[in-house]
Amino acid sequence: QKEVEQDPGPLSVPEGAIVSLNCTYSNSAFQYFMWYRQYSRKGPELLMYTYSSGNKEDGRFTAQVDKSSKYISLFIRDSQPSDSATYLCAMGNTDKLIFGTGTRLQVFP
Amino acid sequence: GAVVSQHPSRVICKSGTSVKIECRSLDFQATTMFWYRQFPKQSLMLMATSNEGSKATYEQGVEKDKFLINHASLTLSTLTVTSAHPEDSSFYICSATDRGRGQETQYFGPGTRLLVL
Repeated sequence: QKEVEQDPGPLSVPEGAIVSLNCTYSNSAFQYFMWYRQYSRKGPELLMYTYSSGNKEDGRFTAQVDKSSKYISLFIRDSQPSDSATYLCAMGNTDKLIFGTGTRLQVFP
Repeated sequence: GAVVSQHPSRVICKSGTSVKIECRSLDFQATTMFWYRQFPKQSLMLMATSNEGSKATYEQGVEKDKFLINHASLTLSTLTVTSAHPEDSSFYICSATDRGRGQETQYFGPGTRLLVL
């Protein structure tokens, strides 16, 4: 079993839709949870960072962590075509991060 | 803030040559830098963790003599792919931790695309 599981997609939604991206993990020692966005042929860009269970909101993005279920989510409200990218979850403790495989998101006009 | 640059952005080289990739933190001091490799449509795979002034820690399966990492200063780490072969062709990405922010977040460079002919 992989330490971090993420559905690779692709996920295709119409503009304005609410997008839900998810990851599950097996290591209960993970302390930090992050979501990165990666456009094609570019380095990952940090979107959200959290270290506790619950919700964290930043603009159209909400990160949710459920440590009891070992499940994290990223919600994107009012999705835009510019949100089309690969979204990677990442988690770990201290310095080392374990990444999910990434979910390709396509938002069409 | 928290900008990480990489140079070059892409490189094409002949098999058997060595290639050096630079990773710089532009507006913060990075005591720890990381090197990842990403194959098409796959996630990032950590190759090594580099701490300033000490030897890098390599992940299992990564040849330290082939992928030489130097972290000589708080803002610069280099990855040298020695005697590159076509199977080394990949997207190499570095990241750095900004201790000054008090968080364990990693900020990534734009990546270097290596093509070995």
